[in-house]
Amino acid sequence: NAGVTQTPKFQVLKTGQSMTLQCAQDMNHNSMYWYRQDPGMGLRLIYYSASEGTTDKGEVPNGYNVSRLNKREFSLRLESAAPSQTSVYFCASRQGVNEQFFGPGTRLTVL
Amino acid sequence: ILNVEQSPQSLHVQEGDSTNFTCSFPSSNFYALHWYRWETAKSPEALFVMTLNGDEKKKGRISATLNTKEGYSYLYIKGSQPEDSATYLCALLGGNTPLVFGKGTRLSVIA
Repeated sequence: NAGVTQTPKFQVLKTGQSMTLQCAQDMNHNSMYWYRQDPGMGLRLIYYSASEGTTDKGEVPNGYNVSRLNKREFSLRLESAAPSQTSVYFCASRQGVNEQFFGPGTRLTVL
Repeated sequence: ILNVEQSPQSLHVQEGDSTNFTCSFPSSNFYALHWYRWETAKSPEALFVMTLNGDEKKKGRISATLNTKEGYSYLYIKGSQPEDSATYLCALLGGNTPLVFGKGTRLSVIA
């Protein structure tokens, strides 16, 4: 099992550009999550999908959209990137009360 | 809104010292309490998932206890080693909702 995979690992964007972060899990988990990590802020939830076909806003959804393409895949889209979106982005998945598995992260810089 | 508090925010110990951290959470709507270990430049990895009041779990030199009635969990590290240096996160599962993470305790073990 690969667990949770994310692409790309690194990305540099100019202000106003768009991009999609991809995430996939092979553990048949119902729930998937997107977080961002900023210094001193811990992990902040952007969006989540409790099950295939549903998505909900987290703590910091502004400037982002998500798609739960199928049970395996959950993508995060930045329509018009801003410097404030410079961060490390983590995708994660979980089933029920069990442990949550995190992807390796995407380091995004917006100039 | 659920609030998970961790203390201390950071900790420096000498190699060989034992140490412990605290996670406090609201005791209503409790489903599970998770502990994660997060090394710099990596992604969080689960240490323990605890669901029952009085639970005690152990993994090598690391152990955790849970008191759901008073709303706290302790994480203990016995004989700290430099490789234990990381941020330790606790997270509360309060139902069919995303995990609510604390801001973490950053541990530095000095050789």
